[in-house]
Amino acid sequence: EIVLTQSPDFQSVTPKEKVTITCRASQSIGSSLHWYQQKPDQSPKLLIKFASQSFSGVPSRFSGSGSGTDFTLTINSLEAEDAATYYCHQSSSLPQTFGQGTKVEIK
Amino acid sequence: QVQLQESGPGLVKPSQTLSLTCSVSGGSISSGSYYWSWIRQPAGKGLEWIGRIYTSGSTNYNPSLKSRITISADTSKNQFSLKLSSVTAADTAVYYCARASGVAFDFWGQGTLVTVSS
Repeated sequence: EIVLTQSPDFQSVTPKEKVTITCRASQSIGSSLHWYQQKPDQSPKLLIKFASQSFSGVPSRFSGSGSGTDFTLTINSLEAEDAATYYCHQSSSLPQTFGQGTKVEIK
Repeated sequence: QVQLQESGPGLVKPSQTLSLTCSVSGGSISSGSYYWSWIRQPAGKGLEWIGRIYTSGSTNYNPSLKSRITISADTSKNQFSLKLSSVTAADTAVYYCARASGVAFDFWGQGTLVTVSS
């Protein structure tokens, strides 16, 4: 089973600041890495697929990069509505797995 | 726009079988190249992939749950279902159904809380 480790676990950020979340895979997964945003009491929403492809309707301040074992989700100019927990997810091999999540709080 | 909706009992007794159904609207579960999946999330914790059924009807399950899971589809009702047997308190979670296009989950249900308790 591929383990995904996100860092940090928690981040408190002021509006307009840049946020960087990393996801490291326990073995190479190519570009089969996706990012989701989950707000309290809501289901997760797809932000980025295949490491760097923005999903339809996602604001341009969200971007992704990386390949192999190291991946990054970047939120440029954080907005208050971006307060949420962010998860990475790998689909390279079964069972599919998720990172433990990174909670982003607005200061 | 595809929409998914989970339904089923919110309370299940230990050792019994948890049964959930996901109703899909806005698209057929038997067409296209999609995986229809179940994912769960214990309160305050992360996401766990349970398993999936492909458009063709083939299935894949998480090995950690494989002996207890059955995922099936009813194309006449445009629904797919999850059965998890021999449940314990550790199976208490919000259960989501989701569609995978390619293999990223692009559409999710709202989730349904299932509590295992006597």
